[in-house]
Amino acid sequence: GAGVSQSPSNKVTEKGKDVELRCDPISGHTALYWYRQRLGQGLEFLIYFQGNSAPDKSGLPSDRFSAERTGESVSTLTIQRTQQEDSAVYLCASTLGGLARSDTQYFGPGTRLTVL
Amino acid sequence: EDQVTQSPEALRLQEGESSSLNCSYTVSGLRGLFWYRQDPGKGPEFLFTLYSAGEEKEKERLKATLTKKESFLHITAPKPEDSATYLCAVYSDKLIFGTGTRLQVFP
Repeated sequence: GAGVSQSPSNKVTEKGKDVELRCDPISGHTALYWYRQRLGQGLEFLIYFQGNSAPDKSGLPSDRFSAERTGESVSTLTIQRTQQEDSAVYLCASTLGGLARSDTQYFGPGTRLTVL
Repeated sequence: EDQVTQSPEALRLQEGESSSLNCSYTVSGLRGLFWYRQDPGKGPEFLFTLYSAGEEKEKERLKATLTKKESFLHITAPKPEDSATYLCAVYSDKLIFGTGTRLQVFP
């Protein structure tokens, strides 16, 4: 079966523009996560969706960042008025259940965002 | 403040030379500790979840252990294909990642 997919794979944008990144989780996975990975750095947690619960937005770095998820399927991460420091690889992952359960997290290949 | 520190930053091993990677953490209320492997240009690959001190998990040449302050990822008789960056993450009220250990195994 298909794994987690993300699109686009690469995105180059100009400072100040808005961007939308898409994540398609594995079918049936109730939990979905967004992370950011800057060059040479570790992963930075952004947001976590679990079923119909309110999302955990504690990792979003500013109000320019927002994310939505349609039911238990596709999610979009939106960055408004992009800045150069937003340049990074944005990774999405999904699990069958939540983090508190022993569920394998499956990661997508990421979207490499470059803000000029 | 919750913190996760991985050491060493980089490790070079000869094929067959066993070693351990460390993940030290300070969090209030550990709910889970995760290990991942990440190859260049790819997303992380989940390896293990540990939930309580004393817990151990194994997969092929890898073994993860957990205490109240740290976790170790032991690599026994590594092969060149084990070369990757190994990431540790801790889940308390949020998920915090370490910066990883870059492992290179030479034949």
